[in-house]
Amino acid sequence: EDQVTQSPEALRLQEGESSSLNCSYTVSGLRGLFWYRQDPGKGPEFLFTLYSAGEEKEKERLKATLTKKESFLHITAPKPEDSATYLCAVQAINSGYALNFGKGTSLLVTP
Amino acid sequence: GAGVSQSPSNKVTEKGKDVELRCDPISGHTALYWYRQRLGQGLEFLIYFQGNSAPDKSGLPSDRFSAERTGESVSTLTIQRTQQEDSAVYLCASSHGLAGGYQETQYFGPGTRLLVL
Repeated sequence: EDQVTQSPEALRLQEGESSSLNCSYTVSGLRGLFWYRQDPGKGPEFLFTLYSAGEEKEKERLKATLTKKESFLHITAPKPEDSATYLCAVQAINSGYALNFGKGTSLLVTP
Repeated sequence: GAGVSQSPSNKVTEKGKDVELRCDPISGHTALYWYRQRLGQGLEFLIYFQGNSAPDKSGLPSDRFSAERTGESVSTLTIQRTQQEDSAVYLCASSHGLAGGYQETQYFGPGTRLLVL
């Protein structure tokens, strides 16, 4: 059975304090791994897609990496506006078009 | 261009009543998905539409749930005889559909928050 586990569940950082969020996955075959950001009361906002181990993508203070078992979302020098829940999802070969989501990491960045 | 839109944004209903939720996908996107997000849980896939093909209903939790889509436009998700455990945020997403939904980025709407009393 496909599984996606995100850690930590919650993370509190001071502004400028870099850290990483983890997404571990177990799937029969990976089609793609997706990172989204979700603000309270809103729908998930797309950040990155990674398709194969070794791939990396960057956007502003965020960098996503992928191995055969996990993905990391690195946040460099975060700002309070980076506070949100970060969701990881995988699309697997045996799950068709559906995205299988983890429960998310709730990030709070304080000034 | 406009993103995915959903209505209503909030819905409060009584147990046993039927509700209908609406989704307008991004213009030109042929693939449309419905997900459910319960408090403290990850998003759960419900149903997938691709063009005029038969929908993938494998995620629907019971026969009280159904969905329709007219061509490549608006979709409605209907929940009959609502139960308290149906309380959740219902999210709609769309993708361009050129790859049949595989490896495509899904863009989400703001969701409909459903509360069943």
